[in-house]
Amino acid sequence: QSALTQPASVSGSPGQSITISCTGTSSDVGSYNLVSWYQQHPGKAPKLIIYEVNKRPSGLSNRFSGSKSGNTASLTISGLQAEDEADYYCCSYAGSVTFVFGGGTKLTVL
Amino acid sequence: EVQLVETGGGLIQPGGSLRLSCAASGFTVSSNYMTWVRQAPGKGLEWVSIFYRLGSAYYADSVRGRFSISRDNSKNTVYLQMNSLRAEDTAVYYCARGPSDDNGNYYYYMDVWGKGTTVAVSS
Repeated sequence: QSALTQPASVSGSPGQSITISCTGTSSDVGSYNLVSWYQQHPGKAPKLIIYEVNKRPSGLSNRFSGSKSGNTASLTISGLQAEDEADYYCCSYAGSVTFVFGGGTKLTVL
Repeated sequence: EVQLVETGGGLIQPGGSLRLSCAASGFTVSSNYMTWVRQAPGKGLEWVSIFYRLGSAYYADSVRGRFSISRDNSKNTVYLQMNSLRAEDTAVYYCARGPSDDNGNYYYYMDVWGKGTTVAVSS
């Protein structure tokens, strides 16, 4: 149950696009289209923003999108806004009814 | 309104025990799977445990044998019994729902989260 690998930090200017990667193994990300992404603002609970690799919960902005290739999943945020500044975590089903999270990525909007 | 409220956190000495509760409203815990996720101070999220269909339970390696998850359908509440606590168990503990549909299919993500309860293990 090793954590998925995410960059510690990414940054971008308002209006730009950024991509956060999430690298796992053939036992988790590579085996299942069951990657989800969560946004967490300081002192708040995580919030689901992407599920099953590329699906958005109802009502969520289409500026958030997800994809996967092999053992790596990605979250792209387009048209960056100040309120997007937060920590982002990926999560994958890892088989045998277990889950594994990424280490988290801090997004700074410059 | 769909909501989860965690309680039971506090300061506990190493080796002690604590039981966390997660009370659900707006949905039935028995129709979904329920998970516990924790976050150590300044660290990332860590999946801890899941109460799955037909009452089966699964745990992260870091807590297996020390933690136990259970459910009380009459109270619509999920619990996390934590024994033999260690300093490294210090964290905010979140309860989260894994959604299901009317056909009884479970989906492998967490769509509703509580605000968390803080556990501090220290002498």
